[in-house]
Amino acid sequence: GAGVSQTPSNKVTEKGKYVELRCDPISGHTALYWYRQSLGQGPEFLIYFQGTGAADDSGLPNDRFFAVRPEGSVSTLKIQRTERGDSAVYLCASSSPGLASDTQYFGPGTRLTVL
Amino acid sequence: AQSVTQLDSQVPVFEEAPVELRCNYSSSVSVYLFWYVQYPNQGLQLLLKYLSGSTLVKGINGFEAEFNKSQTSFHLRKPSVHISDTAEYFCAVSEPGGTSYGKLTFGQGTILTVHP
Repeated sequence: GAGVSQTPSNKVTEKGKYVELRCDPISGHTALYWYRQSLGQGPEFLIYFQGTGAADDSGLPNDRFFAVRPEGSVSTLKIQRTERGDSAVYLCASSSPGLASDTQYFGPGTRLTVL
Repeated sequence: AQSVTQLDSQVPVFEEAPVELRCNYSSSVSVYLFWYVQYPNQGLQLLLKYLSGSTLVKGINGFEAEFNKSQTSFHLRKPSVHISDTAEYFCAVSEPGGTSYGKLTFGQGTILTVHP
């Protein structure tokens, strides 16, 4: 596709459930980032992939959050035992080759609501 | 650690008026600076970025920003705004080199509302 896509666009779940959020980056982009944007706040970094490996997962809030990128393209952010505080918009971005000077291209986000 | 402060959470302005959105940052090292715009129901889009060189950076849609190292600021300006500029604007920094891997630290955002 032409840009970064994320599915689903909206996800409503109940407290304690498991959710998966998908990101499809721009073709050929080796760097992939996940951010979380809470209401009224700027995006906050969660995790960075270079290829298949998570080079920096320092932003993951706790061990309920996990992300994978098994083939170096599509990434899935997984949240176990969801809590109401996990409600936010989850943003994915990609760039190439993954330098600090690169422009990151963002997807439209997945709005997660935990009831 | 880096931090970014956007001094105004909301900026209302009339169409064709000039506007300035303020951004200050703190960092113990040199940084790259970015402005992103988020239109309703769309992803973040890069307006402009400062990496090095001239401190005045021009971006898309007639926006420009000036890097001021002594004041650690990177304010965004436009001489004449349009209704279509109504959106939320985010200032962000990244750290060259090291282990930052280009991760962005964002400010809280400024909602620009252009009135007819």
